[in-house]
Amino acid sequence: GESVGLHLPTLSVQEGDNSIINCAYSNSASDYFIWYKQESGKGPQFIIDIRSNMDKRQGQRVTVLLNKTVKHLSLQIAATQPGDSAVYFCAENMRNTPLVFGKGTRLSVIA
Amino acid sequence: DGGITQSPKYLFRKEGQNVTLSCEQNLNHDAMYWYRQDPGQGLRLIYYSQIVNDFQKGDIAEGYSVSREKKESFPLTVTSAQKNPTAFYLCASSRDYGLISGNTIYFGEGSWLTVV
Repeated sequence: GESVGLHLPTLSVQEGDNSIINCAYSNSASDYFIWYKQESGKGPQFIIDIRSNMDKRQGQRVTVLLNKTVKHLSLQIAATQPGDSAVYFCAENMRNTPLVFGKGTRLSVIA
Repeated sequence: DGGITQSPKYLFRKEGQNVTLSCEQNLNHDAMYWYRQDPGQGLRLIYYSQIVNDFQKGDIAEGYSVSREKKESFPLTVTSAQKNPTAFYLCASSRDYGLISGNTIYFGEGSWLTVV
């Protein structure tokens, strides 16, 4: 199937290096944030989430950082692997309203 | 396996025809959602349903219709009124509509719709 990630900002990273993907969110009242990974032709997969009462959360090889002062979210991937190549979306949510997605960033891992 | 199943994966529609995309989940989730994704764009919300027999319009509901007669099913009809329907359609669900850590949205594998 055709790619849904055309014309997206692209981050190219050498295999084994760390990746940092950034996201600016729009609503200062948002209290829940999620990062998704989407491979070509597939649905988004949940990676990690964070509530607004936290500024950092770690998962397996991934860390999400939240800076509410400047409405900024980042996803750090340690020791990036070829399988990490995908489009990454951040999403924000305010309680009892629908999830709002950012436009996405394409991560390209160079072997 | 528990999950969200969308069908068909690829669908071609002639101009003027209505088509229906199927979405079934066996996760016992109350809330279900339909998103549209265009190349280079994020996901835009078409319709969502917080509970069976209830649904609300999202940001781009014009030209689409849904039903939620059963908890596990949330079909999307793309009507002839939708002038630019070619896109990737994603169905999703969550345990309930109030999203918190541990109760997040999970997606199906998507359906490609092309107008020919």
